[in-house]
Amino acid sequence: QSALTQPASVSGSPGQSITISCTGTSSDVGSYDLVSWYQQHPGKAPKLIIYGGRKRPSGVSNRFSGSKSGNTASLTISGLQAEDEADYYCCSYAGDSRVVFGGGTKLTVL
Amino acid sequence: EVQLVESGGGLVQPGRSLRLSCAASGFTFDDYAMHWVRQAPGKGLEWVSSINWNSGNIGYADSVKGRFTISRDNAKNSLYLQMNSLRAEDMALYYCAKDSTSSGVSPFDYWGQGTLVTVSS
Repeated sequence: QSALTQPASVSGSPGQSITISCTGTSSDVGSYDLVSWYQQHPGKAPKLIIYGGRKRPSGVSNRFSGSKSGNTASLTISGLQAEDEADYYCCSYAGDSRVVFGGGTKLTVL
Repeated sequence: EVQLVESGGGLVQPGRSLRLSCAASGFTFDDYAMHWVRQAPGKGLEWVSSINWNSGNIGYADSVKGRFTISRDNAKNSLYLQMNSLRAEDMALYYCAKDSTSSGVSPFDYWGQGTLVTVSS
């Protein structure tokens, strides 16, 4: 039951786009269209921003988008804003009532 | 408005037990699976355990299997986590999270604010 692999950090300037990858295995990311992404600001609870690989909950900006290819899911944030600076976590169902998170990626807006 | 309020955290010695609770409101509790997710200080999120709507399907992370027990009382709109044989590595902020489905396959659409568990002698 290994964690999904994410880059430890990414950065971008305001207005730019960044992509965060999330690599799993054929037992989790590759087997289910059940990847979700969470944004967490310091001292706050995580917030769901993408589910089902590419769907956005109501109220989440369309600057956030998700995709998946094989065992790797990706989160893209376009038109970076200062408020996007946060930690981002991917998550996947892994079968047998188990869920696995990625290690998290710290996004810095330069 | 959906609300999840965790309680029961605190300071506990290694090897001892603690029971966490999560009081849910603002939604039909027995329509949804629930989860516990923890976050050690300065670290990432770690899924701990899940329970589907009728307690028929339960899952645990390998790190807590055999030591932790998840349960729910739909009549009381409450979720629980019984933690036994606590270790230093169990020290974390424990979040209660609502699944968007009844089965527990995620995502977690609502989160509580967490309850802190400190394991130290």
